[in-house]
Amino acid sequence: DAKTTQPTSMDCAEGRAANLPCNHSTISGNEYVYWYRQIHSQGPQYIIHGLKNNETNEMASLIITEDRKSSTLILPHATLRDTAVYYCIVTTFGNEKLTFGTGTRLTIIP
Amino acid sequence: GAVVSQHPSRVICKSGTSVKIECRSLDFQATTMFWYRQFPKQSLMLMATSNEGSKATYEQGVEKDKFLINHASLTLSTLTVTSAHPEDSSFYICSASGTGLGTDTQYFGPGTRLTVL
Repeated sequence: DAKTTQPTSMDCAEGRAANLPCNHSTISGNEYVYWYRQIHSQGPQYIIHGLKNNETNEMASLIITEDRKSSTLILPHATLRDTAVYYCIVTTFGNEKLTFGTGTRLTIIP
Repeated sequence: GAVVSQHPSRVICKSGTSVKIECRSLDFQATTMFWYRQFPKQSLMLMATSNEGSKATYEQGVEKDKFLINHASLTLSTLTVTSAHPEDSSFYICSASGTGLGTDTQYFGPGTRLTVL
């Protein structure tokens, strides 16, 4: 599976959009980009995934660049409950084993 | 959405005893379940992968005789930590994927915090 690079930490003001970047320059053509988040002392929560098209669901939007070498997770109106570690994972199939990096610790500031 | 539960959420045991952790898929059939371990301030590390009715596949460095995994049904997998020692104290998390979800996605349980005294 391709490796990913994420900033270690980010802050975002409550009510603003949180934009979390992820670099995956070695991604293969059949690999998806998955995003999970982990709130303190809980199991990871699935957020969204995509292959090459932008995706949106009730939680977030995923923007994947045309060359697929990077992506951005967007939380449109961040709340305090969005404070968590966000993991960007690239994998062929989401139901295969996932390799978690260090993720981005997002802190939402009141 | 797909729900995965774990029991117990917390367990404290004495060194040398065994502890069993259950992982259940509540609203789907989990053909594959995964067990992860997470030490404080670290990321999740995969321990093993289990398919229903088959022996688990362990990651390198994980002792299969110490961490016994059983996936006897499509909704239940168990992890037994045998002869637990303080260094086994960790946050154990299961995940599941399978049929009926409509997508190839893993869903995670809430985790079990094990403390070995």
